[in-house]
Formats: sequence, structure tokens, C-alpha cells
Amino acid sequence: QSALTQPPSASGSPGQSVSISCTGTSSDVGGYKYVSWYQQHPGKAPKVMIYEVTKRPSGVPDRFSGSKSGNTASLTVSGLQAEDEAEYYCSSYAGSTSYVFGTGTKVTVL
Amino acid sequence: DVQLVESGGGLVQPGGSLRLSCAASGFNFSGYEVNWVRQAPGKGLEWVSYISASGRFISYADSVRGRFTISRDNAKGSLYLQINSLRAEDTAVYYCARENFYKMDVWGKGTTVTVAS
Repeated sequence: QSALTQPPSASGSPGQSVSISCTGTSSDVGGYKYVSWYQQHPGKAPKVMIYEVTKRPSGVPDRFSGSKSGNTASLTVSGLQAEDEAEYYCSSYAGSTSYVFGTGTKVTVL
Repeated sequence: DVQLVESGGGLVQPGGSLRLSCAASGFNFSGYEVNWVRQAPGKGLEWVSYISASGRFISYADSVRGRFTISRDNAKGSLYLQINSLRAEDTAVYYCARENFYKMDVWGKGTTVTVAS
């Protein structure tokens, strides 16, 4: 149950795109289609932004998109806006009703 | 409104115990799986425990197995986490989160557990 690996930080100017990687193993990210991404603002609870690798819950802007290749999943935020500045965590189902989260990435809008 | 509200956190000495609660409202609690997720100060999210909708299936992270016990009372719309043999590294905000087809789509605001002497 080792945490998934994410870069500590990412940044971009308003209107630009930023991508965040999430690397796991064949026992989690690579083995299941159940990768989710969560956004967390300081002092707030996480909010799901992407689920099942590519799906967006209703109400989440289509600027947010997800993908996966092998053991690495990615979140891309296009058309960055000030409110996108937050911590982002990936999560994967890891079998036997267990989950693993990523180490987190701080996204800064310059 | 669909809502989860945690309670029961506090300051406890190492080796002590706490029982966290999570009250659900606005949805059919008995129809959903639920998880506990924690976040140590300044750190990332850590999955802690899972319980199926009926309560029949349960799982724990290696870091808490044997010390934490998850349970639920569907009649009361409540989830619980009994935490024993507390350690300093258990200090965290504890969130309950509804699971909906492998995504945690509803989260509470969390309850803070501080382990210190």
C-alpha cells in the first residue's frame, strides 16, 4: 500500500494548461480502471473531479480531463483559472476493497 | 442536502482510544459503501478503512489494521471508527467519504484527532 507518486508541484499562467502525473503499479493504477482525481482547497474537504480515469461528475468543468497509460494516470487542467489553484490527489482502487492515494500536487496559477 | 458530518475527535494521550462518528443525511445511507480517509497536518490523504453497504465486508490500511475498527448502523444512518492504541502518527483530520461506484463522491468536513501527552 505505497502511495502513488505525483510531482510535488505544477504551475501555469491563466489560460494555459497544466498536467499532473500519477504513477503506481500493476496492482493499482495499471490493474484497474478506477482512478479518480480529487481537488482540495486549503482547509476544505476533497472534491472528486475525475473518476474511472476519464469521467467527470456533473458540475465539474470540461477543462478537467483524465487519461491513463500503463501504470501512470494523468490529470490535465486546460484554460487554467485562479480558482483551480489547489492541491490535487489521484487515487486508485487497489483490490480487496482497498484504495491508495497519491502524494499530492500543489497547482499554482501564476 | 446530501451530507456527512463527522464528530468525536479530540486530544488524547498516546495509547488512548477514541470513537469517531459520521452522521449521514439527505440520501439512503444503507445503500452505499463508506470509507474513512485521514490527513495528517500538512500531509496528503491516506485511505484508512472501508465498509460495505450491509457492513458485511470490511478492509483496513496496513497502518491501522488491528487497532482501528470500522462499523455502521444503517438504522441510525451512522458510520463509526473505533480507534485504539493511539500513536502520535495517528494525529490527523479524519474524513468519512461516501463511495459511489469506486469514487468518493461525498465527503464530510472532517474531525480532528490529536495524539499528544
